[in-house]
Amino acid sequence: SAVISQKPSRDICQRGTSLTIQCQVDSQVTMMFWYRQQPGQSLTLIATANQGSEATYESGFVIDKFPISRPNLTFSTLTVSNMSPEDSSIYLCSVGNFNQPQHFGDGTRLSIL
Amino acid sequence: GENVEQHPSTLSVQEGDSAVIKCTYSDSASNYFPWYKQELGKRPQLIIDIRSNVGEKKDQRIAVTLNKTAKHFSLHITETQPEDSAVYFCAALPGGYQKVTFGTGTKLQVIP
Repeated sequence: SAVISQKPSRDICQRGTSLTIQCQVDSQVTMMFWYRQQPGQSLTLIATANQGSEATYESGFVIDKFPISRPNLTFSTLTVSNMSPEDSSIYLCSVGNFNQPQHFGDGTRLSIL
Repeated sequence: GENVEQHPSTLSVQEGDSAVIKCTYSDSASNYFPWYKQELGKRPQLIIDIRSNVGEKKDQRIAVTLNKTAKHFSLHITETQPEDSAVYFCAALPGGYQKVTFGTGTKLQVIP
C-alpha cells in the first residue's frame, strides 16, 4: 500500500490562529480525504480533496473554516482556520484509488489553548 | 445516505477466546466492507475486507462474514491475543467512489 506522510504529527496552537496540515503520498492516488477524529470517537469525513477542482465538503464543514488544496495527485493540505478549543482533535488524511481500500496517514494531534 | 451501526461498543474477552463484532448497514448499494484496527495513538489500519460477491473471507485468525439480504456483516477473531486489543471500525461504501461510512467502533480488550 501507499506510504503516507502527514505533517505535523502534533501541535499546540493559540485560539484564533490557523494551522495547515500536509499529506504527502509516495505514489499517485485518485482520491484523498480528510477526516476528524475526536477522542474515543469514530472518524468523521470533513471533505474529499479533488485534484484540479474545489474540495467536496460534508454537511457541517465549510470551506472558510477548512480550506483544502490538492495541487497534484500526491499531495494535499488541510487548513484549520480561526481555531477554537472545539477544534482540538486528531485530523487524518486518507488515500485510495478507484475500487480499492483507503489507507490512512498517522494523523495530526491538534490542541487549541 | 449510508448509516452503519456497530455493536458492541466495548468487548472484553479472555486470551484464547473468540471475539465477534457485528455491523449493519442501510444502503443496499454498498458493496465493499472493510474493517480497520486502531491501536491507541495510531492510525486506523485495514485488517480485512469483503466485497458483496463473497459471503465469507478468512485471513489466519480473522474472518469476516457478509449477509447482503439482511445487510449484516461481522468480524470474527479466533484465539485472541493481548495484541488484538484495540478499537475496531467496520465500514461500508459503494464501489468506485470511495466515500466511506464508518461504524461507531468497538473497543476490544483481551485479558491475559
